[in-house]
Amino acid sequence: EAGVVQSPRYKIIEKKQPVAFWCNPISGHNTLYWYLQNLGQGPELLIRYENEEAVDDSQLPKDRFSAERLKGVDSTLKIQPAELGDSAVYLCASSLSGTNSEQYFGPGTRLTVT
Amino acid sequence: AQRVTQPEKLLSVFKGAPVELKCNYSYSGSPELFWYVQYSRQRLQLLLRHISRESIKGFTADLNKGETSFHLKKPFAQEEDSAMYYCALSQLTDKLIFGTGTRLQVFP
Repeated sequence: EAGVVQSPRYKIIEKKQPVAFWCNPISGHNTLYWYLQNLGQGPELLIRYENEEAVDDSQLPKDRFSAERLKGVDSTLKIQPAELGDSAVYLCASSLSGTNSEQYFGPGTRLTVT
Repeated sequence: AQRVTQPEKLLSVFKGAPVELKCNYSYSGSPELFWYVQYSRQRLQLLLRHISRESIKGFTADLNKGETSFHLKKPFAQEEDSAMYYCALSQLTDKLIFGTGTRLQVFP
């Protein structure tokens, strides 16, 4: 079992450019999460999906961030346009449905915006 | 507002010494508390959760509702315990709120 897969692992872009991150959760996990982790901080939830439905996107900056999980399996997080302050690690996690099920994290994508 | 506080950014101990990583929380309801760990070059993973009331890798954590704390303890630290430790609180909606983390360094 590969666990949660994320790509790319690293991305360097110039400000104002678009960027996309991809996540494939553990097979059978209906719940998918995107977290943002700034340097020296803990992860912060951006969006949570139950199957293909975004059930909590209150922390997603919708002016520049978007996410989709069209078939209820893999997911894409996009930033357009990127800003210097978006430099961070973007983590994807998945879990079985149900309250407080264990979340399994991917390795993350480290984004650097120059 | 819900919040998790880990007051120590870095905790350094020698092998065999006791370890206590502090975690305090603020939450108006009945929280679910977790400890997650990230070893060097590995992904974030669950270490233990308070409802399990179990010891993992020699670590234990007791939820103290009176002091709103969930400190992580181990009587004898090992070098392989060196890692980043995050305390997290979960609301009923599965949203995890993480603290800022404590880096544990165990010297030989």
